[in-house]
Amino acid sequence: EVQLVQSGAEVKKPGDSLKISCTGSGYSFTSYWIGWVRQMPGKGLEWMGIIYPGDSDTIYSPSFQGQVTISADKSISTAYLQWSSLKASDTAMYYCARPGIVGATYFQHWGQGTLVTVFS
Amino acid sequence: SYELTQPPSVSVSPGQTARITCSGDALPKRYAYWYQQRSGQAPVLVIYDDSKRPSGIPERFSGSSSGTMATLTISGAQVEDEADYYCYSTDSSGTHGVFGGGTKLTVL
Repeated sequence: EVQLVQSGAEVKKPGDSLKISCTGSGYSFTSYWIGWVRQMPGKGLEWMGIIYPGDSDTIYSPSFQGQVTISADKSISTAYLQWSSLKASDTAMYYCARPGIVGATYFQHWGQGTLVTVFS
Repeated sequence: SYELTQPPSVSVSPGQTARITCSGDALPKRYAYWYQQRSGQAPVLVIYDDSKRPSGIPERFSGSSSGTMATLTISGAQVEDEADYYCYSTDSSGTHGVFGGGTKLTVL
């Protein structure tokens, strides 16, 4: 069974750095793209970017380029989303997700979400 | 940047047919996908490649696409179908994904 397990909720202050994780199991981690999706409180889904763990090829949404860093450690089947300096506007639920088939980039399998709260 | 446009809300009575539309300039060249998100839960894929249904999704969910518009149809909507629905596709280059703004489906 494909599973994506995300790290737990975080409460941070503006200016803090943060790295959240998403660990895949039940499949070949290096064979599928894995992506990140933001959902701000009461708002819709936003596609942030995707990474191919096999070769670390990464594509960012223009809206998130330079604002976050997506990475992966294939040795532990884990993808990451990180910020160097958080803002209050980064408060959101963040989902990792994986396509259903090799080569696709739409998302079929989703993590449970990581809630990030940033306030002073 | 590329955008997909959905109506903010759709309302139907139980047993009626609900149709949710998604418009985007690249849809003639790119597949549309549909996600259901119930309150407090992660999204669930209900339609992929314009009109295919993943295993476990009820037959009342169907999808179609023509020109710049994709449509999710729920035939005989049930109370448990009440949720937010998002379309998804990629830009014309196929590089960047994008979600529509979401449609709140009310069944009552």
